Amino acid sequence: GQNIDQPTEMTATEGAIVQINCTYQTSGFNGLFWYQQHAGEAPTFLSYNVLDGLEEKGRFSSFLSRSKGYSYLLLKELQMKDSASYLCAVAYNQGGKLIFGQGTELSVKP
Amino acid sequence: KAGVTQTPRYLIKTRGQQVTLSCSPISGHRSVSWYQQTPGQGLQFLFEYFSETQRNKGNFPGRFSGRQFSNSRSEMNVSTLELGDSALYLCASSLAPDSAYEQYFGPGTRLTVT
Repeated sequence: GQNIDQPTEMTATEGAIVQINCTYQTSGFNGLFWYQQHAGEAPTFLSYNVLDGLEEKGRFSSFLSRSKGYSYLLLKELQMKDSASYLCAVAYNQGGKLIFGQGTELSVKP
Repeated sequence: KAGVTQTPRYLIKTRGQQVTLSCSPISGHRSVSWYQQTPGQGLQFLFEYFSETQRNKGNFPGRFSGRQFSNSRSEMNVSTLELGDSALYLCASSLAPDSAYEQYFGPGTRLTVT
């Protein structure tokens, strides 16, 4: 199978840093995406990693280790509006098909 | 430019009926993918279309079908609806069917089967 595992839920405090982990099966790996989804809305793209290392984009960073089948999304200076579901998705082999994890529900508390 | 649009946004059907959902991709995007999202299963891939051809298919029964038109607009059809088909159906478009291209999601169609 192509299971994507990520924690179901996390809680963090406004202004803090939170790391959301994602593990996946490495065979056929062809890229990893992070999406943010607010309740009742469509997923929106956050980041894309295909090579090992860290990709930084403002308050959000994403890391990938292809050999370990591991990625994380790092959110800094948390804001209340960051409360949402964060989806890890992996592309396998050729094509645009994405396999999604169940999503991590992040709650940011004041 | 305009984003991905999906119609209708909400739909209520009864078991045994069939339904057709529509997706218009971002202008210039030629690849369209469909996903089903439920609380229990999360986001699951249904199918992917490019140049009017289905390129990839997920593990869904044959009751789920789709097509793409020459203008890249896509439709998906579910026949003989079951209660378990109640879900948010999301369409995503990208420039091409390659993982290097970001997929942009539409707002979804919320289907309720009673």
